[in-house]
Amino acid sequence: SQKIEQNSEALNIQEGKTATLTCNYTNYSPAYLQWYRQDPGRGPVFLLLIRENEKEKRKERLKVTFDTTLKQSLFHITASQPADSATYLCALDWHNQGGKLIFGQGTELSVKP
Amino acid sequence: NAGVTQTPKFRVLKTGQSMTLLCAQDMNHEYMYWYRQDPGMGLRLIHYSVGEGTTAKGEVPDGYNVSRLKKQNFLLGLESAAPSQTSVYFCASSSRGNNEQFFGPGTRLTVL
Repeated sequence: SQKIEQNSEALNIQEGKTATLTCNYTNYSPAYLQWYRQDPGRGPVFLLLIRENEKEKRKERLKVTFDTTLKQSLFHITASQPADSATYLCALDWHNQGGKLIFGQGTELSVKP
Repeated sequence: NAGVTQTPKFRVLKTGQSMTLLCAQDMNHEYMYWYRQDPGMGLRLIHYSVGEGTTAKGEVPDGYNVSRLKKQNFLLGLESAAPSQTSVYFCASSSRGNNEQFFGPGTRLTVL
């Protein structure tokens, strides 16, 4: 069955630095890979989607890369701020699956001032 | 727009009791989903629906039933609650052709 691995340990970085989070998967490459942000006690919120034929996607301070050879996606937050502190989830998505997603367990990011 | 709403927000049940969680969305989305989230396990799909009147099993469907009688509502039922069903339950919806999912605020359920 498909497995997704995200850094289980929390990532602690200094404000202003770039945070890099990893999402690795096994077996079949997805058609899409999504990243979500989740704050404590809240539901996840969609951030970015990258397609299988895209290498990189950017949105403001966020950048996602997708390497289907390595079966890995990297999620970068540049010029990080304390407000970026949250848990970040990656999710895999395939064609014709009714929009079903398989989520990783998430990586907690803490940005210190 | 309220987006995706869930009721109740919190609930405590005794083993063997039943309950229904209600999810409502006002975005006219075709697809709806129920997940559970446990520490260290991430979000796991329980059941989902690709349209009014249709439902399908997800990764962890045992002990749960669902119904989608109206497009905007997706109900999750626990017929006989067990302590293993203690979790935070999230409902989500998405539109056909747009993969982004919109999540509700969650229901924290404790089964004693």
